[in-house]
Amino acid sequence: KAGVTQTPRYLIKTRGQQVTLSCSPISGHRSVSWYQQTPGQGLQFLFEYFSETQRNKGNFPGRFSGRQFSNSRSEMNVSTLELGDSALYLCASSTSEWNYGYTFGSGTRLTVV
Amino acid sequence: LAKTTQPISMDSYEGQEVNITCSHNNIATNDYITWYQQFPSQGPRFIIQGYKTKVTNEVASLFIPADRKSSTLSLPRVSLSDTAVYYCLVGDGDNFNKFYFGSGTKLNVKP
Repeated sequence: KAGVTQTPRYLIKTRGQQVTLSCSPISGHRSVSWYQQTPGQGLQFLFEYFSETQRNKGNFPGRFSGRQFSNSRSEMNVSTLELGDSALYLCASSTSEWNYGYTFGSGTRLTVV
Repeated sequence: LAKTTQPISMDSYEGQEVNITCSHNNIATNDYITWYQQFPSQGPRFIIQGYKTKVTNEVASLFIPADRKSSTLSLPRVSLSDTAVYYCLVGDGDNFNKFYFGSGTKLNVKP
């Protein structure tokens, strides 16, 4: 059974650019969450999607957005990149809306220069 | 907003039992408590989940008191490969699907 797949694994972008990260959840998982991890702030919740609907959003500026497709795959987009956006972006999926046993992907390491 | 508090780091020796406690005062009635393990440059890995009292699986035990305002992850007989950061995860008391990780506890297992 394939795990959560995140692409790309590594990414280098320039300030001001935008970036799109992709997450393919485990087959059958309908809930997808995104987290940002930095050494200074730790793991911070970005947003969570269930059946193509964003159910909750963390305390991030509007430059951070996401969406979920009918096949449960999800993307997150960051526009007008800043140096502080450099982080490991993690995606997690689970089977049901009340299931807290999320399976995480290996993440996308974004470096903004 | 739900907040969790964990020790920043802990040291242990191989073969010892390790207990890591997480405080979560604003836990909602229907929230579960989940613990994850994370190695460098990897996503967190699910360890154990519970609602109340005690839960045990093949790798750990989770103790939750009656008021549910804290939880303790117990790792029996740790080995060097258990060196990692351990996070407890509870829901936000105001927003069910808005999860907060604790600050994490860096466990260092020494030979």
